[in-house]
Amino acid sequence: EADIYQTPRYLVIGTGKKITLECSQTMGHDKMYWYQQDPGMELHLIHYSYGVNSTEKGDLSSESTVSRIRTEHFPLTLESARPSHTSQYLCASSDSRTLTGELFFGEGSRLTVL
Amino acid sequence: AQTVTQSQPEMSVQEAETVTLSCTYDTSESNYYLFWYKQPPSRQMILVIRQEAYKQQNATENRFSVNFQKAAKSFSLKISDSQLGDTAMYFCAFRSSSGYALNFGKGTSLLVTP
Repeated sequence: EADIYQTPRYLVIGTGKKITLECSQTMGHDKMYWYQQDPGMELHLIHYSYGVNSTEKGDLSSESTVSRIRTEHFPLTLESARPSHTSQYLCASSDSRTLTGELFFGEGSRLTVL
Repeated sequence: AQTVTQSQPEMSVQEAETVTLSCTYDTSESNYYLFWYKQPPSRQMILVIRQEAYKQQNATENRFSVNFQKAAKSFSLKISDSQLGDTAMYFCAFRSSSGYALNFGKGTSLLVTP
């Protein structure tokens, strides 16, 4: 019953291809995030957005870019994929009006670059 | 940046038994929020339980409870009457009162056996 949707769930592509991972949420949350989850399962924040037309880089440097043109939509783009980009990417959102501000996660997009 | 440490990479418990997962964190703030998330194999990350640092009472959610020791900066998760469906990665997370993104620990892989 996820209210935050990620597509594709799985993607296998060749080196040099441009890819976009889609993320949409229907909860009206103002904050959205992208985390990268490596094979050891640790999560690293790579991008976040506090509202429309607002995007910031996270703690882990990433060659990807993001945009936030609409509240509900927060796509992540890799202009030229490389094998080092192979990972799972998790999108999340939160509502700044709630006290604890817990994150709600999508099901993830698992990217493999050959 | 605040760090979150989960010192148990893997744990195992028998069905119906109780297990405790450890988490410590480092911060100089007095007000913050702590979370435990569950990520079943190939499935969505979901919130298990949350704790506000200014509340002394430990949070409980059905079979899940925490032992929050603010002075020791410790936030352990106790799972009572373990069920096979509790098998998952469990992540401890910290949120500053001045920010929105979560800092995650490396996770503990919990296996519940029959």
